[in-house]
Amino acid sequence: DSGVTQTPKHLITATGQRVTLRCSPRSGDLSVYWYQQSLDQGLQFLIQYYNGEERAKGNILERFSAQQFPDLHSELNLSSLELGDSALYFCASSGPGSGYKPGNTIYFGEGSWLTVV
Amino acid sequence: GQNIDQPTEMTATEGAIVQINCTYQTSGFNGLFWYQQHAGEAPTFLSYNVLDGLEEKGRFSSFLSRSKGYSYLLLKELQMKDSASYLCAVENNAGNMLTFGGGTRLMVKP
Repeated sequence: DSGVTQTPKHLITATGQRVTLRCSPRSGDLSVYWYQQSLDQGLQFLIQYYNGEERAKGNILERFSAQQFPDLHSELNLSSLELGDSALYFCASSGPGSGYKPGNTIYFGEGSWLTVV
Repeated sequence: GQNIDQPTEMTATEGAIVQINCTYQTSGFNGLFWYQQHAGEAPTFLSYNVLDGLEEKGRFSSFLSRSKGYSYLLLKELQMKDSASYLCAVENNAGNMLTFGGGTRLMVKP
């Protein structure tokens, strides 16, 4: 158990709908990251937040948005869902400091399986 | 941008040694991570290299050559439970983003 908690674990929804994925980082971690993993794409970095502020952006679609709240939990909002958005969405967290430091490993949650039908 | 290459699949025998290579071309580089991921599960941290050379951790070792843009993960005394995907990830020079390679699926056979 990495200490990163994600809900829901599984979600099935229809095209055009909107979903919210939730993540609670490890206790004390200030940075939260979101990754998407689909069968043909591998792990794709979406976005990073540090202590409530966006710090880095990867290949995140405009239909997707995220935020980190004062209690440090984060939500990833996916809207106007398409079949191709079906994937495993991982949240990860790391410790104090805005980025990775030697030994400042990023720890992954168990992921949220999203199926768009 | 980042370009990271790993073999897609490898097969090895229980008890043997296997080396998984990773080459990268990046616009910025701070360090390199290796993660293990069993199917449908979360990636778990194996190693981090920031300096050239070999880092050894039990049965697993990781090597980095910054000048060559090359790393490898060495797994010794393979066990069946080592069957998993191994992900190489490059840390950018701002230290705030990991870019993952496609992963190498390792199958360990008896």
